[in-house]
Order: sequence, then structure tokens, then C-alpha cells
Amino acid sequence: AQKVTQAQTEISVVEKEDVTLDCVYETRDTTYYLFWYKQPPSGELVFLIRRNSFDEQNEISGRYSWNFQKSTSSFNFTITASQVVDSAVYFCALSLLTTDSWGKLQFGAGTQVVVTP
Amino acid sequence: DGGITQSPKYLFRKEGQNVTLSCEQNLNHDAMYWYRQDPGQGLRLIYYSQIVNDFQKGDIAEGYSVSREKKESFPLTVTSAQKNPTAFYLCASSIDDRGHSEQFFGPGTRLTVL
Repeated sequence: AQKVTQAQTEISVVEKEDVTLDCVYETRDTTYYLFWYKQPPSGELVFLIRRNSFDEQNEISGRYSWNFQKSTSSFNFTITASQVVDSAVYFCALSLLTTDSWGKLQFGAGTQVVVTP
Repeated sequence: DGGITQSPKYLFRKEGQNVTLSCEQNLNHDAMYWYRQDPGQGLRLIYYSQIVNDFQKGDIAEGYSVSREKKESFPLTVTSAQKNPTAFYLCASSIDDRGHSEQFFGPGTRLTVL
């Protein structure tokens, strides 16, 4: 069975500090997708990134960057120069492509990021 | 604006009552999902629908029911059989159910049982 672990329950930083969120996943499948979502206080989840299991290239989008390492089953997320607006809960999720798992997202428990001025 | 709407935003229910949560999307997506979120936990899948008039149980379907009579709509009924229904409920949709498509989420409904 697949599983996503986000070991950090809460991370508190001061504005402009960098923050890295860990995500470790478990699956026996060789083909899968990994996602990161942001949940601000309003509650609605916002899609941040999708990565397939064959693409281990790191990605940068503005102040956000992602490090995917298949060897350690990790898909970590870094916010550079954090801002107060980054305060939210961040979820990592795994999606398999087998017939009985199509469309199902397995979420981690989430990491609460608190950025103070 | 394209997106997903959920209503109501807050819902209070007395024990023993059934309540229905609304979810509508105008993204022309085939697949729709219902998740439950409890404090300090990730989202857990209740039901999902790959196409109109078809739906499957997720990981925690007991005490819930759904229908998918129209592509745009996927209402969730929380029945009296659900032992602990107080939670935050999120509806989502994706263009298909192939697993590689991102899911778009609605603003959620917070249900409280009095």
C-alpha cells in the first residue's frame, strides 16, 4: 500500500528565512505522480506542482523549489526568502496509475508553516 | 469564472439528521471527488466519480452517500449512520481520473454536529 509521510508537523520561521518541507513516500509501483498543495487559512487547497516518477529534474518556480530524489523516495519543497503570505498548511500527495487507484490522491498529514514578520 | 463552488460554507446538524453538501463545477471535468479533513490530518477520500452516473467508494465511505446525475454536480449526503461527522469537507475535480491530472479544490464546507 502507498503512504506519504510528512514528519514535520509545524515549522516556524521569521520572514526572509528559507524553509524546507520534507516529504517521504512509499510505493511499490514504478510509475506514479507526486504533488504539492498549499492550504491557506481560507481552507481551499491550491495546486503547486506535479512531478512524475520518471522526471527527477529539480524544479524552481520563483521562490519555490522542489527536490525529487527517487533513491530516497523523497520529494522535498523549499521556500526561499519566506514571506508572511507563505503561512499555510502544505500537503504532499501521491497518485498511482494502476486501474484501482486511478485518480486517488494519498495525502500526507501536512506541515503547518508559520512565517512571522 | 471557472471553478468549484461548495455550499454551504458552514453547516450545523443535530444528531440523527441527514445533511447534503453541495458541490458544483463549471470546469467541464469528468472526475469529481469528496474528501474529509480532520484537524492535524491529511485529506481522506470518501467517494469519487469518474463519469456521470458512476461513482466508487473511497477509503472512508461508511455513513456517506453520493450521486452524480449531472457532470457539473456531485452532492454528498452525510447520513445519521456516520458516527463522527464533524469535519471539514472538500470537493475536488480533475479533467480525468488517470492519476496524472491535478485536482482542483472547492472552498470547503465545515460541518458541525451539535
